[in-house]
Amino acid sequence: DQQVKQNSPSLSVQEGRISILNCDYTNSMFDYFLWYKKYPAEGPTFLISISSIKDKNEDGRFTVFLNKSAKHLSLHIVPSQPGDSAVYFCAVNSGGSNYKLTFGKGTLLTVNP
Amino acid sequence: DVKVTQSSRYLVKRTGEKVFLECVQDMDHENMFWYRQDPGLGLRLIYFSYDVKMKEKGDIPEGYSVSREKKERFSLILESASTNQTSMYLCASSRTEIGYTFGSGTRLTVV
Repeated sequence: DQQVKQNSPSLSVQEGRISILNCDYTNSMFDYFLWYKKYPAEGPTFLISISSIKDKNEDGRFTVFLNKSAKHLSLHIVPSQPGDSAVYFCAVNSGGSNYKLTFGKGTLLTVNP
Repeated sequence: DVKVTQSSRYLVKRTGEKVFLECVQDMDHENMFWYRQDPGLGLRLIYFSYDVKMKEKGDIPEGYSVSREKKERFSLILESASTNQTSMYLCASSRTEIGYTFGSGTRLTVV
């Protein structure tokens, strides 16, 4: 039973356009949500996060939106750059004070020059 | 620069071998984790540890065990390697949910 779902295995966008990556979760008790980015042959790196008390968080070209009623979050990248091409994982804190993260299956983003 | 170091980038082992994957962090983090990444399945938690000598099962612990004798070191053990354990193994450590630092991964192939 997947607690975190990323329904799009891949996404392709043109350089300069907006990339929107989506994530759905099942448990309304989750209180912290994160996005990680992973290049091939490297470990994932933290990108941006949002607490359940907010509905939006921005960091430069990256914005995460949280819709608690729909149990949905999205990552917007504007403008997209070829260096953004990577696998993006949505994650939720499912372990309370042990900070255990549950990850989605990932979305491969390809930004074409 | 803080680091999580995994001892090997690539390993090839034979079916039935006992395999040790080592992970060391230099950030004095309490929590350490082992995940595996497989195409189409994302990152799945094998085991985690929130203190020395403490361990808890993750979502897919079968066929694995772990050891944490020192705070900075968390080892993943495949008691008898099988071909379905061919995967990318990722170690991570954290103090908070945003402080999750991953190692570069170990690509294990079991033949």
